Amino acid sequence: EAGVTQFPSHSVIEKGQTVTLRCDPISGHDNLYWYRRVMGKEIKFLLHFVKESKQDESGMPNNRFLAERTGGTYSTLKVQPAELEDSGVYFCASSQVDNMRLTQYFGPGTRLTVL
Amino acid sequence: DAKTTQPTSMDCAEGRAANLPCNHSTISGNEYVYWYRQIHSQGPQYIIHGLKNNETNEMASLIITEDRKSSTLILPHATLRDTAVYYCIVKLDDMRFGAGTRLTVKP
Repeated sequence: EAGVTQFPSHSVIEKGQTVTLRCDPISGHDNLYWYRRVMGKEIKFLLHFVKESKQDESGMPNNRFLAERTGGTYSTLKVQPAELEDSGVYFCASSQVDNMRLTQYFGPGTRLTVL
Repeated sequence: DAKTTQPTSMDCAEGRAANLPCNHSTISGNEYVYWYRQIHSQGPQYIIHGLKNNETNEMASLIITEDRKSSTLILPHATLRDTAVYYCIVKLDDMRFGAGTRLTVKP
């Protein structure tokens, strides 16, 4: 069974540009989460999808970040326009909707560098 | 929200058991204790979880105190590849990572 995949693995962009990160969860996982870790800080929750609906987006830092999950499969996280402080590693995780739903399986992350 | 407290860092000799403690005194009755680890810059990796009873799997054992206010993750025979940051998490819905414990396994 394939794990959570993320694309790209690395992205280097200039301040003011737009970047879109993609996450493909484990097949059949209705829960999808985005997290990020900025330099030297802890991993922070961004948002949680249940299928295509946003269950909790309390961790989204500001309106420059837009997450979508059309069709309830893969998800994208767009940063527009990117700022220097957005640099970090963005992780995606997924889980099933059952008693084990809190067992989240993480992808390898996308390392974003904003210059 | 339940909050966890873990030591900042720990060392362990290769081949010995690594015992990582976690305090979660405000845990609610229906909140599980989860342990994850992050090796270098990889994505966090699930290790084990439990509610009340002690649990064991191929990676580790989890000992939860009877009052559920603390737990201990045990890696029975630590290897160099177990060097990582270990996170104890008790948030019911979306995991809130703290600083974790940086475990260094030494030869």
